[in-house]
Amino acid sequence: GNSVTQMEGPVTLSEEAFLTINCTYTATGYPSLFWYVQYPGEGLQLLLKATKADDKGSNKGFEATYRKETTSFHLEKGSVQVSDSAVYFCALIRNAGGTSYGKLTFGQGTILTVHP
Amino acid sequence: DTGVSQDPRHKITKRGQNVTFRCDPISEHNRLYWYRQTLGQGPEFLTYFQNEAQLEKSRLLSDRFSAERPKGSFSTLEIQRTEQGDSAMYLCASSHSTGLAGAPGHNEQFFGPGTRLTVL
Repeated sequence: GNSVTQMEGPVTLSEEAFLTINCTYTATGYPSLFWYVQYPGEGLQLLLKATKADDKGSNKGFEATYRKETTSFHLEKGSVQVSDSAVYFCALIRNAGGTSYGKLTFGQGTILTVHP
Repeated sequence: DTGVSQDPRHKITKRGQNVTFRCDPISEHNRLYWYRQTLGQGPEFLTYFQNEAQLEKSRLLSDRFSAERPKGSFSTLEIQRTEQGDSAMYLCASSHSTGLAGAPGHNEQFFGPGTRLTVL
């Protein structure tokens, strides 16, 4: 079946530090990959996505590259801010034969805390 | 610009009672999803609709759970004879989907704020 594995958390960084949150996946077909973010007290928001191998998704200074050979989609940011403190979820949707199936499969989430 | 809304935001009930949650998706979205999230975990898929048709149900959705989307707009999720293990955040999401992977904006799921259920 499909699954997503995220690095163990929580992650605590100082402001302006470099961030990497690892994500690897197992899926049949050719999935689309997503990072969602959940800020304290708010709902899940789509941060970025990539739909095929070697695509790079980017948004708000965050980037992730779809690596089919390593089945990975690691999230990176060069300089984090206090406002980036949130829970980050890696997720996939299975695609096959050009058709996309409905459900998102999520990782367990990684709590990021950024200190001033 | 209205997003996905859910009602109620919080529900406390006693074990054995029935509860019903409502989700109003973004108006032009044809797909609607239900997920469940427990503390410290990622959301888990429960079911989804394309228009009024329920296309997939998770094994997590026991026979105590039922979901409807009668006119292809809002959806309800009912839990009968609630158990303490049902305590969780119930999330609704919607998307516009053509079914074609890679199409612009395809299947970007927009989430509501969730309904937090506590079963005593």
